[in-house]
Amino acid sequence: EAGVTQFPSHSVIEKGQTVTLRCDPISGHDNLYWYRRVMGKEIKFLLHFVKESKQDESGMPNNRFLAERTGGTYSTLKVQPAELEDSGVYFCASSRPSSAGSYNEQFFGPGTRLTVL
Amino acid sequence: GDSVTQMEGPVTLSEEAFLTINCTYTATGYPSLFWYVQYPGEGLQLLLKATKADDKGSNKGFEATYRKETTSFHLEKGSVQVSDSAVYFCALSGNAGGTSYGKLTFGQGTILTVHP
Repeated sequence: EAGVTQFPSHSVIEKGQTVTLRCDPISGHDNLYWYRRVMGKEIKFLLHFVKESKQDESGMPNNRFLAERTGGTYSTLKVQPAELEDSGVYFCASSRPSSAGSYNEQFFGPGTRLTVL
Repeated sequence: GDSVTQMEGPVTLSEEAFLTINCTYTATGYPSLFWYVQYPGEGLQLLLKATKADDKGSNKGFEATYRKETTSFHLEKGSVQVSDSAVYFCALSGNAGGTSYGKLTFGQGTILTVHP
């Protein structure tokens, strides 16, 4: 079974440019999460998809960030325009469909390291 | 809101030394608690978990006990190996039905380096 994949692994862009990150979850995983780690700090939740619907986007920092999951498969996270403080590692995770009262393990991708100059 | 406070590193040990990485949390209700590990060049992997008070999670020689009275989930290993060198993250997920259910709240991460 293939794991969660993310593309690109690294991205270096200039302030004001646009970047799109992609995440391919494990097949059959309805839940898809985006997280971000700014250098040396904690990993912070950005948002949660259940299939193609946004279940929780409370962690999205501002309206320069747009996440989509058309068709409930892969997801993209677009940053437009990018600012210096957007630099960090963006992680994607997926998990099986939830059932009442149970927790399903989140499987993480290797992350995309974004550097905004 | 929920938060996790984790012992700051880096931690440097010799092989076969005893490891403790402290983790305390703040959350309402009964969260599930986790330790994730990130080896160099890889994504985060779940190391162990505990879903209710007094549960002990264990894996690969690592252990952590869910202590509700002290809101702690300290990670321990009796004898570390060079291959344990990695970044360790403590995390929680809110209880089912709560607003933070599903998403993970992480601590800052602790870099562990084990020397031969």
